[in-house]
Amino acid sequence: NAGVTQTPKFRVLKTGQSMTLLCAQDMNHEYMYWYRQDPGMGLRLIHYSVGEGTTAKGEVPDGYNVSRLKKQNFLLGLESAAPSQTSVYFCASSYPTLDEQFFGPGTRLTVL
Amino acid sequence: AQRVTQPEKLLSVFKGAPVELKCNYSYSGSPELFWYVQYSRQRLQLLLRHISRESIKGFTADLNKGETSFHLKKPFAQEEDSAMYYCALVITGGGNKLTFGTGTQQKVEL
Repeated sequence: NAGVTQTPKFRVLKTGQSMTLLCAQDMNHEYMYWYRQDPGMGLRLIHYSVGEGTTAKGEVPDGYNVSRLKKQNFLLGLESAAPSQTSVYFCASSYPTLDEQFFGPGTRLTVL
Repeated sequence: AQRVTQPEKLLSVFKGAPVELKCNYSYSGSPELFWYVQYSRQRLQLLLRHISRESIKGFTADLNKGETSFHLKKPFAQEEDSAMYYCALVITGGGNKLTFGTGTQQKVEL
């Protein structure tokens, strides 16, 4: 099992460009999450999904959109990137029980 | 709103010394707390959860509802314990969302 994978690993964007981050999991998890990690701020939840076709806002959703068309995939989109979105992005997945979340390796995004 | 506080950004200890990473929380509901760890160049992973009352890699954490704390402890630090540690609180229902603290970077010196 690959667990949780993220594509790409690194990306540099110019202000105003758009991109999509892909998260895939092969553990048949219902729940999926997108976080951003910034120095001194820990991990903050951007959006999450409790099942195929459903998404919901987390703590810091502005500037991001998500889609969960297939159970195993959770996409995070930036329509018009801003320097404030420079961060490391982590995807995670879990079962609906109060169980651990399994994290991907992260995507380091720089917006110039 | 829920909040998790880790007051120490960086904690430096000597090998063999006791370790305590502090975590305090505020939450109106019944708390479910976790410690996650991120070793260098590895992904974030669960270290332990309070409902399991388990000891993992020599670490323990006791939930103290009176002091609203969930401190992580280990009697003797080892070199391989150098990592970033995050305390997290889960908001039950509606996605089991995690609220993370800001993290403590622990460095074990020889």
